[in-house]
Order: sequence, then structure tokens, then C-alpha cells
Amino acid sequence: DIQMTQSPASLSASLGETVTIECRASEDIYNGLAWYQQKPGKSPQLLIYNANSLHTGVPSRFSGSGSGTQYSLKINSLQSEDVASYFCQQYYDYPPTFGSGTKLEIK
Amino acid sequence: EVKLVESGGGLVQPGRSLKLSCAASGFSFNDYWMGWVRQAPGKGLEWIGEINQDSSTINYTPSLKDKFTISRDNAQNTLYLQMSKLGSEDTAIYYCAREAITDYWGQGVMVTVSS
Repeated sequence: DIQMTQSPASLSASLGETVTIECRASEDIYNGLAWYQQKPGKSPQLLIYNANSLHTGVPSRFSGSGSGTQYSLKINSLQSEDVASYFCQQYYDYPPTFGSGTKLEIK
Repeated sequence: EVKLVESGGGLVQPGRSLKLSCAASGFSFNDYWMGWVRQAPGKGLEWIGEINQDSSTINYTPSLKDKFTISRDNAQNTLYLQMSKLGSEDTAIYYCAREAITDYWGQGVMVTVSS
């Protein structure tokens, strides 16, 4: 299975700041990567797919980038509603595998 | 509105079996791959497996293949997860998922394996 190493495990930032979350795959996943947001007590929600495509209805302050084995999620102008855990997922190879998650809090 | 509603969870003794259901509505169920994902308390997400539109292809995460069976009933717009030989490590919230790049998730159903 492809291993996804996500960092940092937790992150605290101020409102209006820009934050970046990283994911590293154990092998090339050719942009087969998604990012999900999971608010406390809720189901995950798709943010980004194909590494950099914004899912319908997701605010434009969220963006994804990367290639090969290195990918990142950037959140511009952090809002209070962005408090959540974020997970990356590779779907290039079966089985799909997830990163361990990043818990984002407001400072 | 797309809705996925899981049911069938609860407390089950170690070694027993349990079958979860996921009722789908608001979209053409038989046009989509469907899958199951689980999340142990306070932990990350784990892909269990998926089934294609006509049930001709079913894929499982290899480490879970012997424990879980995925099926669907397109006439009833329902996805199933049969779980057997359950252990404490299977305690988790189980989510129904539309497609591997999951654009819709169910609300999840809790399964607790304990004596």
C-alpha cells in the first residue's frame, strides 16, 4: 500500500493567517490526491481532488498544489469556520490510503 | 439533495457478525461506485472497499478482505457491509461513501465491539 505521511499533526494559527499542510506519498501518485475537511462530530467533506482542483462549493481560499510524491493544501485568510481536521488521500493506487490528519485550531 | 443514511450499528460482542446498511437518495444510485470507510475513535480514516455499479467488481483493502463483504441492491438504492469475526480493533464509525474520490459521505454509524 502507498503510505501517506501528513504534517504537521496539529496547527494553531490566527484568524486571517495563511496555513499550509503537507502530504508526502511513499511513491509517485501522479496527482491522484484529494484533501478532505472534517469538522468535529461531522463526516469528512471533499475540498480538493486531482491535487489542485477545487470541489464545487468550496471557498477559493482553499487551494492544492504539488506533484510526484509531495503535495500541499493551503488555506488563505483563515476563518473561524476552518477549525477542523484535514486529511489527504491518495487514490492513484489501490487501496486508497489516507494521511493521519492535521488538526487545525485558531490561536 | 444527495443523502446517504447508514444504519445497523451498535454494540456487538467479539467474534460476532453485524450487517450495516446505507440508504441512498437524491441521485441515480446505479450510476456510481459506492464504498465504505471507517474511523476508529480519535483516529484517521481507513478505506474498507468499494463496489461498482452492477456489482461485477468489488475491491477490498487487502488487510480487511477476510472480514468484510460489500454488496448492493440497486432496486432498493441500498449499499451493505457485512462484517464477521469482529474484534475490538473494529470499533469505529463506519461511513458510506460515494466514489473513491468521495464527494458525498453518510453521517456515519458507530460500531462498538465489546463484551
